Amino acid sequence: GQSLEQPSEVTAVEGAIVQINCTYQTSGFYGLSWYQQHDGGAPTFLSYNALDGLEETGRFSSFLSRSDSYGYLLLQELQMKDSASYFCAVSGSGGSYIPTFGRGTSLIVHP
Amino acid sequence: NAGVMQNPRHLVRRRGQEARLRCSPMKGHSHVYWYRQLPEEGLKFMVYLQKENIIDESGMPKERFSAEFPKEGPSILRIQQVVRGDSAAYFCASSPSGEGYEQYFGPGTRLTVT
Repeated sequence: GQSLEQPSEVTAVEGAIVQINCTYQTSGFYGLSWYQQHDGGAPTFLSYNALDGLEETGRFSSFLSRSDSYGYLLLQELQMKDSASYFCAVSGSGGSYIPTFGRGTSLIVHP
Repeated sequence: NAGVMQNPRHLVRRRGQEARLRCSPMKGHSHVYWYRQLPEEGLKFMVYLQKENIIDESGMPKERFSAEFPKEGPSILRIQQVVRGDSAAYFCASSPSGEGYEQYFGPGTRLTVT
């Protein structure tokens, strides 16, 4: 089976940097994904890490340490529009690429 | 280039009725996934389909729920004899390959059972 842990809520101010952590337990591992979901909206794919290290895409970066079963999403230069829920998802259990999602972290950005 | 389309966006059913949720994947995508989401919770995998085949239905309740993805037309998630506990948002996602870590989601169908 698989399980993921991420904080339920994180708050930050506009312009700041915030890190959302995700730890996971899984019987098999292919990679860790991150998705963003605004209230009432569809989840949107942000990033995928299959190998250790940092992947950068604009203001967002994602990090993975397979030995620690840990990853994080880093959001820089926060904007109000970044207020949303962020889900980590792990794939690989039982050899399946189908991701298992965490419960999500609600990010609240204050002016 | 249309994204994943789902309809209806909102569906209200009385207990005991049937609910049919439709999903058209992105153009060129032949892999479809259905998820269910309750408020303040993550997405729970239900079923993974390719054209005319169910690949993985390990997340689907054994009774009342079924899914199909015919050769022509959208994928359908069907819930028979709905109960109040079926009220949730149902999301469909598609991917271009079976390595479905990068999935493109539709806007979801909000099902309310009264």
